[in-house]
Amino acid sequence: QQPVQSPQAVILREGEDAVINCSSSKALYSVHWYRQKHGEAPVFLMILLKGGEQKGHEKISASFNEKKQQSSLYLTASQLSYSGTYFCGTDLTGGGNKLTFGTGTQLKVEL
Amino acid sequence: SAVISQKPSRDICQRGTSLTIQCQVDSQVTMMFWYRQQPGQSLTLIATANQGSEATYESGFVIDKFPISRPNLTFSTLTVSNMSPEDSSIYLCSVVRAGMNTEAFFGQGTRLTVV
Repeated sequence: QQPVQSPQAVILREGEDAVINCSSSKALYSVHWYRQKHGEAPVFLMILLKGGEQKGHEKISASFNEKKQQSSLYLTASQLSYSGTYFCGTDLTGGGNKLTFGTGTQLKVEL
Repeated sequence: SAVISQKPSRDICQRGTSLTIQCQVDSQVTMMFWYRQQPGQSLTLIATANQGSEATYESGFVIDKFPISRPNLTFSTLTVSNMSPEDSSIYLCSVVRAGMNTEAFFGQGTRLTVV
């Protein structure tokens, strides 16, 4: 089953914060986060492994709650360059390679 | 990182014809994946291309419709056969280097329109 992301879309003013959630009905072994700009390929942001860890990447961080089968991506002090569609990619098999992508969240940052 | 060259970048094809998409990686990788992304939608895995053996297809995708070749560790092709307008989509190849839990790299995608 495809993980469900929320919200589906969000519009921010530059400098505002946002949270994107990824929820799975199946157990997760790891969660990847990707950003895709229009007409381009998805670009890797970070990976979170089992253990409930939280990671940071500049002003973008994420958490992974394996018990709840959820991950959240935190975008702080958003910049125009953050605009795009965000996907969580989930490892449902433990193989670490094959990903099932979430439904996606469209993020637009405006001045 | 991995540099992936995917071609063609786009094509417009007549229904009933076939298109072969190529994916070349700048280094050897164990696993290559083919995804489909319909307009405004998420990525759906079509199949895993295995070197030296047949591809492994996901539910809803069959070899007769999407034959895949993987002749070596740096190259793969996906053919979309007997195309219909419903096959209009973006097709992406992806690689993950050997080892667990590493990032996926994507080709730039092939935007296919079937008329």
